[in-house]
Amino acid sequence: GAGVSQSPRYKVAKRGQDVALRCDPISGHVSLFWYQQALGQGPEFLTYFQNEAQLDKSGLPSDRFFAERPEGSVSTLKIQRTQQEDSAVYLCASSLPVRGAGELFFGEGSRLTVL
Amino acid sequence: GESVGLHLPTLSVQEGDNSIINCAYSNSASDYFIWYKQESGKGPQFIIDIRSNMDKRQGQRVTVLLNKTVKHLSLQIAATQPGDSAVYFCAERGSSNTGKLIFGQGTTLQVKP
Repeated sequence: GAGVSQSPRYKVAKRGQDVALRCDPISGHVSLFWYQQALGQGPEFLTYFQNEAQLDKSGLPSDRFFAERPEGSVSTLKIQRTQQEDSAVYLCASSLPVRGAGELFFGEGSRLTVL
Repeated sequence: GESVGLHLPTLSVQEGDNSIINCAYSNSASDYFIWYKQESGKGPQFIIDIRSNMDKRQGQRVTVLLNKTVKHLSLQIAATQPGDSAVYFCAERGSSNTGKLIFGQGTTLQVKP
């Protein structure tokens, strides 16, 4: 595809359920980022991958959050035992360069609502 | 550079007027800055970027100004159009070499026809 693709676009989960959010980055993009965007706020960094290596996970809010990118392409963000405060839009972004001023291309996000 | 609060500042302008959106960034070591536009239900879309060794950069209808002395960034949109209505975020890249961006709070731009 031409852009970053995320699925599902909308997810409603009951408190305590596990969820998995998928990101298909732009083909060939080395860097992949996950951000969390709460209602009315800017995106907050969660984690970063360079190919399959997770080089920065400093933004993950708790050990219930886990991300992987096993083959250096598609990435999955998993949230275990969801809580109401996890309700947010989860944005995935990719960029071509490893370093430098590479523009981040964002997907349209996965909106998670935890009841 | 973390976003705070639930209510985004709002700028309301008349169609055809120029818009100026301001942003204060937090890290004096940041070397790269980007402005993003986010429409409802969509992901942020790149508008324009600037490196810290510059103080001004122009694009099509948009200009970014950087004042490192006071850690201030602004986005100027010329001849604002209804399609410019969106939330605008500034983002900074700090000392990390991962390219991680830290986003500001955001400003809602409303263009009145």
